[in-house]
Amino acid sequence: AQKITQTQPGMFVQEKEAVTLDCTYDTSDPSYGLFWYKQPSSGEMIFLIYQGSYDQQNATEGRYSLNFQKARKSANLVISASQLGDSAMYFCAMRLTGGYQKVTFGTGTKLQVIP
Amino acid sequence: EPEVTQTPSHQVTQMGQEVILRCVPISNHLYFYWYRQILGQKVEFLVSFYNNEISEKSEIFDDQFSVERPDGSNFTLKIRSTKLEDSAMYFCASMIRDRPYNSPLHFGNGTRLTVT
Repeated sequence: AQKITQTQPGMFVQEKEAVTLDCTYDTSDPSYGLFWYKQPSSGEMIFLIYQGSYDQQNATEGRYSLNFQKARKSANLVISASQLGDSAMYFCAMRLTGGYQKVTFGTGTKLQVIP
Repeated sequence: EPEVTQTPSHQVTQMGQEVILRCVPISNHLYFYWYRQILGQKVEFLVSFYNNEISEKSEIFDDQFSVERPDGSNFTLKIRSTKLEDSAMYFCASMIRDRPYNSPLHFGNGTRLTVT
């Protein structure tokens, strides 16, 4: 079974600053994918970024990057140049390889961007 | 861009009543899921569905729950006799395929179910 841990229930960041949201995971399976989702106050779940367990390079998508440290089983999300619209709940999630495997979510981190 | 559509956005029902939550996944997706999120809490897996049958279900998905894909486009979640603790946001999600593991789930905007 897989487990995702997000230890920061809430974070504050100044507008235009960078922020790192922590995520650690636990699985004995060598093949897995790691995802980050954003959930604004309106409630929808928005996919941000993906990292595969065999990917050699850290994933980047615009202002989002994933700091993947496989040996430490961590997959931290870095948001550069924070904007007010980044204020939201952020969920780290993991999926094992194969077929219809479900995505398992962490408990989330609520990020608030301060003007 | 294609999206997952859920209806209704908000449903209020009385305890003991049956409720059906509806979803239209993205048309070329093959895997379908229901998740729920009790207010302010984590997103919990309920069930996955592939090739017209349930692939996996969680302990939450007991005999009161059922899923159907009746016509090749809609994907429904039925709760037969709702309880107060079923009040939550219910998300439908779909996925195009497993490649082998890097396809994200695409979520609908959710149905907020309130049981009174």
